[in-house]
Amino acid sequence: EAGVAQSPRYKIIEKRQSVAFWCNPISGHATLYWYQQILGQGPKLLIQFQNNGVVDDSQLPKDRFSAERLKGVDSTLKIQPAKLEDSAVYLCASSFNRGGNTIYFGEGSWLTVV
Amino acid sequence: GEDVEQSLFLSVREGDSSVINCTYTDSSSTYLYWYKQEPGAGLQLLTYIFSNMDMKQDQRLTVLLNKKDKHLSLRIADTQTGDSAIYFCAEVSAGNQGGKLIFGQGTELSVKP
Repeated sequence: EAGVAQSPRYKIIEKRQSVAFWCNPISGHATLYWYQQILGQGPKLLIQFQNNGVVDDSQLPKDRFSAERLKGVDSTLKIQPAKLEDSAVYLCASSFNRGGNTIYFGEGSWLTVV
Repeated sequence: GEDVEQSLFLSVREGDSSVINCTYTDSSSTYLYWYKQEPGAGLQLLTYIFSNMDMKQDQRLTVLLNKKDKHLSLRIADTQTGDSAIYFCAEVSAGNQGGKLIFGQGTELSVKP
């Protein structure tokens, strides 16, 4: 079974530029999560989708971050404009349904803002 | 509120047992997880335990849950150099309808030959 796919793996941008990350969850998984992991910290949830609807985006900085999951499968996370403090790993995860007992993570997209 | 705490570092010798500890605050936690993160990689699900259990064993891994003290531990038997990584404890609470994971800050395990 294929895992959670993410791209790009690495991205370096200048502050005030924009960047987009893509995620393809495990087939059949209705719930998709985007987490931000700053170096030396545990991951923190940015946004959670159930199919194509948003369940929780309370920690998403909506002035600069946006995410969508239009057809309930793939998702994109966009940052515009980027700030230095956005340097982090952006992890996508999926589970069969919300509250499920197995949540699987992708390899992450590593962002450096200079 | 929800909070998960872990010690930051643990160093052991190859062949010894490692015990990584975690405390959490949410008494309504339903599932508790251990994830492993190697350098440059994502999070690998190692094991999880349901809150009505007090122990779970999976090959070299043993998870102990003390619900009264809100304390979770991960024991790795016969620790190998390949076990060197950061280990994250995470919880999902019953009050969290979305099922999101709340993570600790991670414990860096260093295994010396």
